[in-house]
Amino acid sequence: QVQLVQSGDEVKKPGSSVKVSCTVSGGSFSSFALNWVRQAPGQGPEWMGGIIPFFGSPKFPQRFQDRVTFTTDESTSTAYMELRSLTPEDSAFYYCARGGSGTFWHYFDYWGQGTRVTVSS
Amino acid sequence: QSALTQPASVSGSPGQSITISCTRTNSDVGGFNAVSWYQQVPGKAPKLLIYAVSSRPSGVSSRFSGSKSGNTASLTISGLQAEDEATFYCSSYSNSDTLVLFGGGTWLTVL
Repeated sequence: QVQLVQSGDEVKKPGSSVKVSCTVSGGSFSSFALNWVRQAPGQGPEWMGGIIPFFGSPKFPQRFQDRVTFTTDESTSTAYMELRSLTPEDSAFYYCARGGSGTFWHYFDYWGQGTRVTVSS
Repeated sequence: QSALTQPASVSGSPGQSITISCTRTNSDVGGFNAVSWYQQVPGKAPKLLIYAVSSRPSGVSSRFSGSKSGNTASLTISGLQAEDEATFYCSSYSNSDTLVLFGGGTWLTVL
């Protein structure tokens, strides 16, 4: 049974950074895409990008290009998402979500439990 | 503002069928057979219901079905049950900078 377990909730000051982890168990770690999705209260999800073997490199929308970094530690089957220069608009639940293999990378079949990030002065 | 357009809410009685629409352009919904649907109950992560327009992951009830016509995708839930009450989101691959788009969500009320 595939499980994704994320790190705990965070409270951050504007201008700081947050790093969320996502540990995968019960399945292959490197064969599948590992995406990050955030969801502000009352809003639809927003894809932030991820590490996608199909592309051979991390992918993310340009609006996050200068602020987000995705990394992995294969020895612990853990993925990390770091978001810098936080503003209150970054307050949201952050999810890791496993994508399918190959061209199915954008179908998210397993999700972490979510990490609440609150940005407030 | 979410990228894909969904109705804010729908409702139906137990046993009835309802359909939720998801609309955008031929750069995403209309251009690829790459639409998926998710169900989210409050406080939980979304759950994948439909992928590739009309395919169901194993374990998902056959009461959930998906289709697409032009730039509009649809999720149909037949034989409504009280447990179906949730928010439903569509998603699509896009050939824009943002490769994956989501809708704003549709809240389903089972009367």
